Amino acid sequence: DSGVTQTPKHLITATGQRVTLRCSPRSGDLSVYWYQQSLDQGLQFLIQYYNGEERAKGNILERFSAQQFPDLHSELNLSSLELGDSALYFCASSVIGQGNGYTFGSGTRLTVV
Amino acid sequence: AQTVTQSQPEMSVQEAETVTLSCTYDTSESDYYLFWYKQPPSRQMILVIRQEAYKQQNATENRFSVNFQKAAKSFSLKISDSQLGDAAMYFCAYRGSARQLTFGSGTQLTVLP
Repeated sequence: DSGVTQTPKHLITATGQRVTLRCSPRSGDLSVYWYQQSLDQGLQFLIQYYNGEERAKGNILERFSAQQFPDLHSELNLSSLELGDSALYFCASSVIGQGNGYTFGSGTRLTVV
Repeated sequence: AQTVTQSQPEMSVQEAETVTLSCTYDTSESDYYLFWYKQPPSRQMILVIRQEAYKQQNATENRFSVNFQKAAKSFSLKISDSQLGDAAMYFCAYRGSARQLTFGSGTQLTVLP
């Protein structure tokens, strides 16, 4: 157990639907990062939150949004889902400091049918 | 923007032998960190080793070591005494002032018994 908890582990939904992925960071970590891993795109950075505030945005679609709550857990909302959104979505957390690697959750496998 | 390149999509090694995975990166920053992550079939992302750019000494973690060539912007991972459990996808990653990790496309390592 890495200390980063992601739920659900698997999600199957239809095109056009909306889903919410949840992440609880490791205790003491204020930063949360979301990544998308698809077969043909590798690991793509989506968005970062630090202590409730958005810090950086990557290749995140407008149909996707995220937030970090006062208890530091984060949610990634994916709407108007398309077949191409099928991927493994990772959440990671870290303590402040450039040299610290991330601790990753086990991911949420999203399948859009 | 920083880029990370892993030019070996697949590698194989005989059990107990040594293998080296290559990684190059492009950056204009002088202060940054480099990481190797392992992703076994379970899909969990596991930090293997990290290197501070300002340190000339190569990092070592048990059977894993790196060859960091800052001027050449090269960061290879050497796995000694390879074990069956080392079979996984290995990702090289860069972390600079932007704080988020930028990943390479990965190298799939097969360990042959």
